Amino acid sequence: DGGITQSPKYLFRKEGQNVTLSCEQNLNHDAMYWYRQDPGQGLRLIYYSQIVNDFQKGDIAEGYSVSREKKESFPLTVTSAQKNPTAFYLCASSPGTGVWQPQHFGDGTRLSIL
Amino acid sequence: GQQVMQIPQYQHVQEGEDFTTYCNSSTTLSNIQWYKQRPGGHPVFLIQLVKSGEVKKQKRLTFQFGEAKKNSSLHITATQTTDVGTYFCAGTPTPSGGYNKLIFGAGTRLAVHP
Repeated sequence: DGGITQSPKYLFRKEGQNVTLSCEQNLNHDAMYWYRQDPGQGLRLIYYSQIVNDFQKGDIAEGYSVSREKKESFPLTVTSAQKNPTAFYLCASSPGTGVWQPQHFGDGTRLSIL
Repeated sequence: GQQVMQIPQYQHVQEGEDFTTYCNSSTTLSNIQWYKQRPGGHPVFLIQLVKSGEVKKQKRLTFQFGEAKKNSSLHITATQTTDVGTYFCAGTPTPSGGYNKLIFGAGTRLAVHP
């Protein structure tokens, strides 16, 4: 079955530590996205990528970094510069970035501070 | 900045009652998408509306897109316990610059009491 796989499901970060969240898709989608979800709030866009080797900042990119070396993979690194990283992180993909494209989401990674 | 407001934040209903959530944008939208997130799960795409005044139905769910393309609603008739979850609207502001930047509402959490 095609889908998006995020790992790990739960992640704990120590002070001053960088952590990387994995996102892999086998839907052959060109576009991939990272969102942050906090309780009582909608999804906020961190980064997006329309094509391999290209990515753009979203609304809340500070303290995060990404790479897109392969079409299938779009890992997100939460750096020590992100002072409030505790949240639910969702990766999504869509066939393209045209306005009519629905997004498909992974099961998410819940990140907490130790 | 561009915002999508969604009300109510929470709704508790008895099974069999109707439910409506409303979505309002500060700017004109190219389209509106609706997603459902079950507790502990990830958002799942339900439907997309693109035309002014458009109405679409999925069984007990009715979706509307306003004439001015700034608001939308989701109405569930005769709720069931399987309807429990958070319903998000998400729209693409006009102009989008060709990128499907979805602005998500904060969601309406629906609880259904048997």
